[in-house]
Amino acid sequence: DTGVSQDPRHKITKRGQNVTFRCDPISEHNRLYWYRQTLGQGPEFLTYFQNEAQLEKSRLLSDRFSAERPKGSFSTLEIQRTEQGDSAMYLCASSPGHGYGYTFGSGTRLTVV
Amino acid sequence: DQQVKQNSPSLSVQEGRISILNCDYTNSMFDYFLWYKKYPAEGPTFLISISSIKDKNEDGRFTVFLNKSAKHLSLHIVPSQPGDSAVYFCAASSGWQFYFGTGTSLTVIP
Repeated sequence: DTGVSQDPRHKITKRGQNVTFRCDPISEHNRLYWYRQTLGQGPEFLTYFQNEAQLEKSRLLSDRFSAERPKGSFSTLEIQRTEQGDSAMYLCASSPGHGYGYTFGSGTRLTVV
Repeated sequence: DQQVKQNSPSLSVQEGRISILNCDYTNSMFDYFLWYKKYPAEGPTFLISISSIKDKNEDGRFTVFLNKSAKHLSLHIVPSQPGDSAVYFCAASSGWQFYFGTGTSLTVIP
């Protein structure tokens, strides 16, 4: 296992289009997180899964955002009707539980033009 | 509301000297703290952690100090190396979610 994988690394899309990102966590980790990071800021929490259950969603996650983790393995984050303000680095992280740190993926950089 | 703060956006240090990065938090329920390092175009990489039952944790050149009464965390890097140049984030947790500071950009000058 080589860590947390995210695909794609970069995505450029036109405003109004839908995009979907994928995250493959470390296989033994039951917790999966999505964060968003913009320039000059630390990562901001978006949503959290424990196994296949989505337990928390940030108020940052508008109705245009949806995340899934079918079967408790990989996760997808979809943004519908993208806006320029959605341009950011989207980070996925996984963890085996409380008391352990996150392992982050390399992120997906989204640019909305 | 920023629960974890890194008030120094940048820091420059000569190679071989000590780098000290600081972090303050507001939530007294936080019981686990981490430092991450981030290079451009990469995800953050875990560096070192400390739980609230300790006041110091050391791993090679990296030492994290926790002052619970002051709600203050610091990362010491000794000796600093040019490869340490990156953005450093502190993070704190009281359960399943980590809250991150805004980062400090460290430049180690050869």
